[in-house]
Order: sequence, then C-alpha cells, then structure tokens
Amino acid sequence: AQSVTQLDSQVPVFEEAPVELRCNYSSSVSVYLFWYVQYPNQGLQLLLKYLSGSTLVKGINGFEAEFNKSQTSFHLRKPSVHISDTAEYFCAVSRPSTRTDKLIFGTGTRLQVFP
Amino acid sequence: DAGVIQSPRHEVTEMGQEVTLRCKPISGHNSLFWYRQTMMRGLELLIYFNNNVPIDDSGMPEDRFSAKMPNASFSTLKIQPSEPRDSAVYFCASRGASGSPYEQYFGPGTRLTVT
Repeated sequence: AQSVTQLDSQVPVFEEAPVELRCNYSSSVSVYLFWYVQYPNQGLQLLLKYLSGSTLVKGINGFEAEFNKSQTSFHLRKPSVHISDTAEYFCAVSRPSTRTDKLIFGTGTRLQVFP
Repeated sequence: DAGVIQSPRHEVTEMGQEVTLRCKPISGHNSLFWYRQTMMRGLELLIYFNNNVPIDDSGMPEDRFSAKMPNASFSTLKIQPSEPRDSAVYFCASRGASGSPYEQYFGPGTRLTVT
C-alpha cells in the first residue's frame, strides 16, 4: 500500500523568499506523484505531476518539484513566493498499474506568505 | 467547460435530518470521487466510481452514508440520519479516461453544517 507524509503542517515565509514544501512517500511499487493546491474556500487544483521521464517537473504558477527515487521524496519548490501563493498544498500518490486507482493524499501543508 | 458542479454550496441542517449532496462531473469523464475534508481528519476519500460502478467504498464512514451514480453525468451522496460529526466540506472530483488520466478535477465543495 502507498502512503504519503508531508513533514510540515505549516510553513510561514516572507514574500519573495524561496520556499520548499516537503513530501515523502512509501510504496513497494512504482508510483505517480502529484501536488495539488487548495486556495481558501475552493476545491483542489492540480499544480504538477510526475508520471515518468525527467525527474524535475515544472508546474503552474512558477512551482516545480523533483522526484528523488532513492530518497522517496517529491519536494515542491518555488524560488520567489507571492502573497497569492498563500494556500494549502497537498502531495498525493497513485499507482500507475491501473487507470481505476485512487489518489492517496498527504495531510497537507499550509503555506502562509507574509508581506 | 463548466468544470465539476456541486450543489448545494452550503447546507445547514438539524441532527437527524436527511442530507443529499449532488455532483455533476465534467462531461466525458468516467471516474467520480467523493471526498470529505475536516480540520481533524484532513482530506478523506469516501467512495469512487468508475463507469458508474462503485470501485472502492471502504472510506464510507458507516451505514448512514450512501452514494449513487445512476448515470455518467450525475452522482449523489446521502447522509441519513445526519449527525453533528458529519459537519465538513464534501468535495466531488472527476477524472477522464484519456488525456491526463490520473488528473482529478475537483468541484468547489459543499459545506455541510449539522446542528
């Protein structure tokens, strides 16, 4: 079975500073990995995904993530954050073996960007 | 594309009443997911359907909860009788069989308050 651990429940950061949100996964098989963002009072929106190929994945809004198989990590990064990046971020994993499989979500990291 | 549509957006009801939440997935999508989000438990998958058939309902809390998908364009989540601990935001998400098959598109959610 797969599981996802988001190591930080909250990350405070000042505007224009870099940020890294950490995600580790556990799986006995290969996985697909995702980052979703949830703005206040809204549903989740896909930021980026890793399915195969290059381990550095670029997403929307200037975010990127790097898949590290040896460390079973998929950390999310942004070199310079904006106030508008304040949101909850969820890491998720899915098995690639079947199209009917579900996503397993982490507990989320709340990013708070201060002016 | 209208995206995933959920209704109502807000529901306030008294303990013991029946509650029905509705979801219209994105046209052409063949998988539908119901999630519940609370501060205490985070984002939980309740049930998901593939081609209108329930695939995994292991997340449904108890017999008070039931979900149906009578056709490809409509699903309901029913709680009967409702209890205060059911208060949460309920999300519906859908996924297509082609394009980005592992990307789930979330609706805006229904905020349920049971008093």
